Amino acid sequence: EIVMTQSPATLSVSPGERATLSCRASQSVNSNLAWYQQNPGQTPRLLIYGASTRATGIPARFSGSGSGTEFTLTIGGLQSEDFAVYYCQQYNSWPRTFGQGTKLEI
Amino acid sequence: EVQLVESGGDLVQPGGSLRLSCAASGFTFSNYAMSWVRQAPGKGLEWVSIVSSSGGTTKYADSVRGRFTISRDNSKNTLFLQMNSLRAEDTALYFCARLGGTTSFVLPFDIWGQGTVVTVSS
Repeated sequence: EIVMTQSPATLSVSPGERATLSCRASQSVNSNLAWYQQNPGQTPRLLIYGASTRATGIPARFSGSGSGTEFTLTIGGLQSEDFAVYYCQQYNSWPRTFGQGTKLEI
Repeated sequence: EVQLVESGGDLVQPGGSLRLSCAASGFTFSNYAMSWVRQAPGKGLEWVSIVSSSGGTTKYADSVRGRFTISRDNSKNTLFLQMNSLRAEDTALYFCARLGGTTSFVLPFDIWGQGTVVTVSS
C-alpha cells in the first residue's frame, strides 16, 4: 500500500497570502495524484488531478506541481472560502490512498 | 445537474448488516466506474471499494474485503454497498463518488455525494 504523507498538519495563513501544502508518496505514483478540498460539513471537491491540471471550475489561484513522490499544492491570494482541509490522493496503485489532510486556517 | 444521493445509513449493532444505496442523476451512469469512500468522525478519507461501469470488475480495501460487496444496477442508475459483519471501526460517513472518466480506472473522483452515516454500536 502506498502511504501518502501530507505536511504540515495545520497551516496558519492570512487572507491574501499564499499557502503551500506538501504531499509525499511512499513510492512513485507518477503523475496520478489528485488534490481535494473539504470544507466543514461538506463533501470533498476535486481541485487538481494529474498532479497539475485544475478540475472544471477551479480558480486559477489553485496550482499543483510535482511527480513521482513529491507534490505541492499552492493557493495564491487566499480567500475566506479557501480555509478548509485539503487531501491528496494517489490513483496509481491499489488500494487508492489519501493523505491524512492539511488543515488550512486563518 | 450531475448528482449523487446516498441513503441507507443507520445505527446497527456489531456483527449486523446494512445496505447503502447511491442514486445517480444528470449523467450516463452506465458509462462510469463508481466508488465508495468513507470518513470516520473527525478523521480523513478512506477509499473502500470500486466497481467498473459494467459491474464486472470490483476492488476492495483490505479492511473491508470479504465483508462488503459493491454492486450496481445500471437500469436504475444506482450504486450499492452491502455491508456485513459490521464492526465499530466501520462507523463513518460513507460517500459515493464517480470516477472522473469513462476509459480507465486511473482517474480521480470528480463527483461526490453528500454521504450517509453508518454507526456501528451496541
